[in-house]
Amino acid sequence: KAGVTQTPRYLIKTRGQQVTLSCSPISGHRSVSWYQQTPGQGLQFLFEYFSETQRNKGNFPGRFSGRQFSNSRSEMNVSTLELGDSALYLCASSLALTGDSQETQYFGPGTRLLVL
Amino acid sequence: DAKTTQPNSMESNEEEPVHLPCNHSTISGTDYIHWYRQLPSQGPEYVIHGLTSNVNNRMASLAIAEDRKSSTLILHRATLRDAAVYYCILRPLAQKLVFGQGTRLTINP
Repeated sequence: KAGVTQTPRYLIKTRGQQVTLSCSPISGHRSVSWYQQTPGQGLQFLFEYFSETQRNKGNFPGRFSGRQFSNSRSEMNVSTLELGDSALYLCASSLALTGDSQETQYFGPGTRLLVL
Repeated sequence: DAKTTQPNSMESNEEEPVHLPCNHSTISGTDYIHWYRQLPSQGPEYVIHGLTSNVNNRMASLAIAEDRKSSTLILHRATLRDAAVYYCILRPLAQKLVFGQGTRLTINP
C-alpha cells in the first residue's frame, strides 16, 4: 500500500505570494492532518480534516487554510506569504474509523517551503 | 494541552539498550501516551502507544509508571538507524497530536 504522498517536495516563493500544497493520504484513510515544522517552534498542528470537514484547528492566522476533497485528498493554502512561513509542512493521515485516540497517524515526507 | 518533559538529547552505543524517559505529571485519566520518532529528513513515524499497562511491539517497549506520571520508551538493541528525535506525546481522546521538543538520540557505532 502506498504511503502518504505530498507534492511538491520543495518550493520557493517570495513574500506576498500564495502557495498551495497537496497531500494524498493512504488509501482508505479518511482523516488528514497538517503540521508545520520549524527549527524554532518545532512541530505545530495546523488543522485536521475528516469527511471534507475541518475537525480541529491549531493556533495559526487565517492566512493558513485547507480543504479536503471527497476522495480524502487534501490541500492547504497559505496566502500573503511571510518570511516566517518558511518551514517543512507535513501531512499525516489516519483511518479515523471511530475517532479513537489510539489511531496511528502516518506522515508524509513533507513539503519544504522557502519564502524569500 | 497536557505537557511532557523529555531530555533534550541522549547518547548510546550500538547494540545496547536505550531507555528514553518522559515525565507527564499532569496526565489525565483519558490521556494516551504516544511515542513517535523522526529520522533525519523524514516525517515522524509511529513507534508505540499505551494507556496504563506496559506495551511491547516489534520496534520498542513502553513502560508506564503505576501513577502514570512518567513513562519510558525502551529500545532493546539500538542500531544506527534508530538515531532520531523521539517525541513523547499525551493524546486525549479524539484530539490532535501535540509534539514537544523531543529527545535527540545519537547512536555511536
